Amino acid sequence: GDSVTQMEGPVTLSEEAFLTINCTYTATGYPSLFWYVQYPGEGLQLLLKATKADDKGSNKGFEATYRKETTSFHLEKGSVQVSDSAVYFCALLTDKLIFGTGTRLQVFP
Amino acid sequence: DGGITQSPKYLFRKEGQNVTLSCEQNLNHDAMYWYRQDPGQGLRLIYYSQIVNDFQKGDIAEGYSVSREKKESFPLTVTSAQKNPTAFYLCASRDSIWGYTFGSGTRLTVV
Repeated sequence: GDSVTQMEGPVTLSEEAFLTINCTYTATGYPSLFWYVQYPGEGLQLLLKATKADDKGSNKGFEATYRKETTSFHLEKGSVQVSDSAVYFCALLTDKLIFGTGTRLQVFP
Repeated sequence: DGGITQSPKYLFRKEGQNVTLSCEQNLNHDAMYWYRQDPGQGLRLIYYSQIVNDFQKGDIAEGYSVSREKKESFPLTVTSAQKNPTAFYLCASRDSIWGYTFGSGTRLTVV
């Protein structure tokens, strides 16, 4: 069945460091891909999305490119801030939304 | 402002009791979803409804029930048959294309 695999956390970085959170997927057909962010005690917020191969989603300095050849959608940010500390979920959508297990990011000043 | 409202934010249940979690949306979305979140397991789909008066089981429906009598409302009942109900529950709705909006969640604890 369809699934999403993302790197385990926590990812611990100093402020202004470069961030990569890996995400790969398995799906029949051509899913849309998403990154969601969850701040402590809150629901999920859509961070960015891509609907077809080679699309790049971007928002708030975060980027991810839909790579069909490697079935990946890695999340990157060039310079993280303390306020980016949260849990990040990769997800795919075919007939339903399927999530990865989440990666906790901790950024220290 | 349009959005999804989940209530209460925190809920405590005694063993053997049923409890109902509320989810209301004013986005005019047809489809609504319930997810359960456990540490290290991501989100798992409990039930979903694509239209009023119709709903389908998700991946972990055992011990849960839902109703969809109104477009705006999709309450989830956690029954006594759910053996491990302590979790964070998230409700979501989706518009006719594919945009999901999530509520802020209800944390249920069995005491």
